Amino acid sequence: DIQMTQSPSSLSASVGDRVTITCRASQSISNYLIWYQQKPGKAPKLLIFGASSLQSGVSSRFSGSGSGTDFTLTISSLQPEDFATYYCQQSDTIPLTFGGGTKVEIK
Amino acid sequence: EVQLAEFGGGLVQPGGSLRLSCAASGFTLSSCAMSWVRQAPGKGLEWVSSISSNGGSTSYADSVKGRFTISRDISENTVYLQMHSLRAEDTAVYYCTKYLGASGTSFRTFDCWGQGTLVTVSS
Repeated sequence: DIQMTQSPSSLSASVGDRVTITCRASQSISNYLIWYQQKPGKAPKLLIFGASSLQSGVSSRFSGSGSGTDFTLTISSLQPEDFATYYCQQSDTIPLTFGGGTKVEIK
Repeated sequence: EVQLAEFGGGLVQPGGSLRLSCAASGFTLSSCAMSWVRQAPGKGLEWVSSISSNGGSTSYADSVKGRFTISRDISENTVYLQMHSLRAEDTAVYYCTKYLGASGTSFRTFDCWGQGTLVTVSS
């Protein structure tokens, strides 16, 4: 199975900050990398697929990059509604696997 | 509007069975693959099972293989997850999801999620 490792597991940031979350795959997954946002008590929301393609309707302050084993999710200017937990997922191989999550909290 | 609604969660004893349902609206099941993803309380996301758009192919996580069965009813536009031999570690919110697309990087990407249904396995 492909292991997905996210870092950090949590971070504190202020509104307006630039935030970067990383995700590393245990083997190459090309660009088959997805990012989701989840708020407490809610289902996850698709943000980015194909490592860098922004899902329709998602704010352009979210961006993704990377290929192979190392990927990054960047929030260019953190907004109050962005405080949430973020997960990466690889879609290259069954079983589909997720990272452990990164909780973005208010500083 | 594309929507998914799960039903069937609840409290079940270890070793028991439960069937979850996912009613789809705004699209037809024959047009895309569907999956179940679960989340244990306070934990991360875990893929459980998927069924292809033609229903001919299914896949399972090792943790549920041989105990869970995914199926669908096109006439009802509903996906099911039959769960047997339930264990305490199966306790989780179970989400029904659909794939964004049929190929490339949109394949196996979950673009729509239900609200989730809680399954609690406890005596």
